[in-house]
Amino acid sequence: GAVVSQHPSRVICKSGTSVKIECRSLDFQATTMFWYRQFPKQSLMLMATSNEGSKATYEQGVEKDKFLINHASLTLSTLTVTSAHPEDSSFYICSARPPFMSSYNEQFFGPGTRLTVL
Amino acid sequence: GQQLNQSPQSMFIQEGEDVSMNCTSSSIFNTWLWYKQDPGEGPVLLIALYKAGELTSNGRLTAQFGITRKDSFLNISASIPSDVGIYFCAGVYTNAGKSTFGDGTTLTVKP
Repeated sequence: GAVVSQHPSRVICKSGTSVKIECRSLDFQATTMFWYRQFPKQSLMLMATSNEGSKATYEQGVEKDKFLINHASLTLSTLTVTSAHPEDSSFYICSARPPFMSSYNEQFFGPGTRLTVL
Repeated sequence: GQQLNQSPQSMFIQEGEDVSMNCTSSSIFNTWLWYKQDPGEGPVLLIALYKAGELTSNGRLTAQFGITRKDSFLNISASIPSDVGIYFCAGVYTNAGKSTFGDGTTLTVKP
């Protein structure tokens, strides 16, 4: 159980275009999902907390107009990188937290999306 | 904000050797989590610890939640080549709150 998927796994786009990444919890409902960004050989940097039915909470320094998050259902959150530029190239990973009381602090991660902006 | 110091940064060991890594913090956490990340993939949860002093095993992996709630360690016994990867610790202070991640320990196992 606790499987999280992401789509696409890789995307290459031209500078100035927008890219949407989907994160789905496959076998549980998640009221909270998280979006991370990871640079090579570095740790995970939390970008925002996605809350079902309400606005996302962004970390300091993350532009909410640049990284649009929508959590419209209990199994789907989307991250849209708007007007992408080469510096947005990175590995984006989502995670979801199951509602089970015995594991309420555990996050389960998706396989990640490699974004390359040319 | 809360920060985690994870050490060592990297380890190069021979197959069959035991491995130990740890995380320390200046502030307390109520949950400690250990993850493994393979190249190009998302982290996979290895062990979750919820009580100070708790010692939990998952196969050849053993992790402990420090009594002070400011540290945790992960041991891997009899390492094998597939143990190669980056291991991350994470601490959670508030129940259902954000996780704070360490910088990772990169493990290389020589056959």
